[in-house]
Amino acid sequence: QVQLQESGPGLVRPSQTLSLTCNVSGGSISSGNYYWTWIRQPAGEGLEWIGRVYASGTTHYNPSLKSRVTISVDTSKNQFSLNLSSVSAADTAVYYCARNLRYGGHFDFWGQGTLVTVSS
Amino acid sequence: DIVMTQSPDSLAVSLGERATINCKSSQSILYSSNDKNYLAWYQHKPGQPPKLLLYWASIRESGVPDRFSGSGSGTDFTLTISSLQAEDVAVYYCQQCYTTPYTFGQGTKLEIK
Repeated sequence: QVQLQESGPGLVRPSQTLSLTCNVSGGSISSGNYYWTWIRQPAGEGLEWIGRVYASGTTHYNPSLKSRVTISVDTSKNQFSLNLSSVSAADTAVYYCARNLRYGGHFDFWGQGTLVTVSS
Repeated sequence: DIVMTQSPDSLAVSLGERATINCKSSQSILYSSNDKNYLAWYQHKPGQPPKLLLYWASIRESGVPDRFSGSGSGTDFTLTISSLQAEDVAVYYCQQCYTTPYTFGQGTKLEIK
């Protein structure tokens, strides 16, 4: 059973960079059948797809965030990461990492989610 | 971006009764080469991550009870819970998996009447 777990600071100062890591266990991140994805949900709002990375390092980002987002993968550690620069209060949200079926697009396994608050 | 619109925003149904949630996409999410609709449904309970219920509009994920079913094609889709159980109280989201950026509906909050 694949498990994903987010880790990183729960508080980030405005204008700084939000950095999160997702550790994958129970399966290899190098499997060719999946993308590895970040999704967020501000309090009281809906789900927003941030972007995804393939084991090769190929990335796809949401255009609404593209100028500020970097997603990377470390296959040796079986983990992938999110960096979101120049954050503001609008970036306060629960951040989820998830596994994305390459040929389906749906998300079959999710991390528990981590709340990141942007505040001075 | 493909806009996903769910209706209603909230729904109250008696235990044992049918619950129906609708989802409409701003463009067709039917992939003609394989005749699959790239639409997924998720159940989201407080303090938990969303749980995949259905994909390709009507395929139940392993372990999902058969009271959950999905239908529709092209731009109009429906999630049906045939006999509502207390544990089904949650927010339900549809998601288009047709093209990036992937987008979700705004959610439908399902409660017990």
